[in-house]
Amino acid sequence: DSGVTQTPKHLITATGQRVTLRCSPRSGDLSVYWYQQSLDQGLQFLIQYYNGEERAKGNILERFSAQQFPDLHSELNLSSLELGDSALYFCASSVESNGELFFGEGSRLTVL
Amino acid sequence: GIQVEQSPPDLILQEGANSTLRCNFSDSVNNLQWFHQNPWGQLINLFYIPSGTKQNGRLSATTVATERYSLLYISSSQTTDSGVYFCAVPPNTGNQFYFGTGTSLTVIP
Repeated sequence: DSGVTQTPKHLITATGQRVTLRCSPRSGDLSVYWYQQSLDQGLQFLIQYYNGEERAKGNILERFSAQQFPDLHSELNLSSLELGDSALYFCASSVESNGELFFGEGSRLTVL
Repeated sequence: GIQVEQSPPDLILQEGANSTLRCNFSDSVNNLQWFHQNPWGQLINLFYIPSGTKQNGRLSATTVATERYSLLYISSSQTTDSGVYFCAVPPNTGNQFYFGTGTSLTVIP
């Protein structure tokens, strides 16, 4: 158990819908990262937050947004979902930016 | 950004065999991690190894930061070692980790 908690573990929804994925970092970790992994693909960096502020942005679509709350948990919002958004979404946390990363178990999103 | 290349892309081993996985990166880094993604999709930390050598049971890793590569050694492989092995590095400036494309390992009994 890495200490990073992600919910839900599995989610099935329809095209055009909106979903929210939640991540609680390890106790004491200030930095949260979101990654997307499509089937048989590598990990694509989406976005990073540090202590509530956005620190880095990767290949995150405009339909996606994220935030980190004062209690340091983070949410990734995916809207106007398309079939191609089906993927495993990982959250990771670290004590500091570029510190050792710890991953949650991921949220598997299926868009039908 | 940093280019991270892993080799080989695929590897099939007989149980009990040894293997070496390689990770090359294109720029200097202060941090490097190895992860194992098991067949259920979980990403498990193996090593946090900016430089030097570390060992954990049958696995060990060596990073030579000055030459921009890291090696992951798996000895006496077991079927539970199957999965994809990723290395990841952050740049010295910037805040995202760059992942390699992984080595897919299959250990057959």
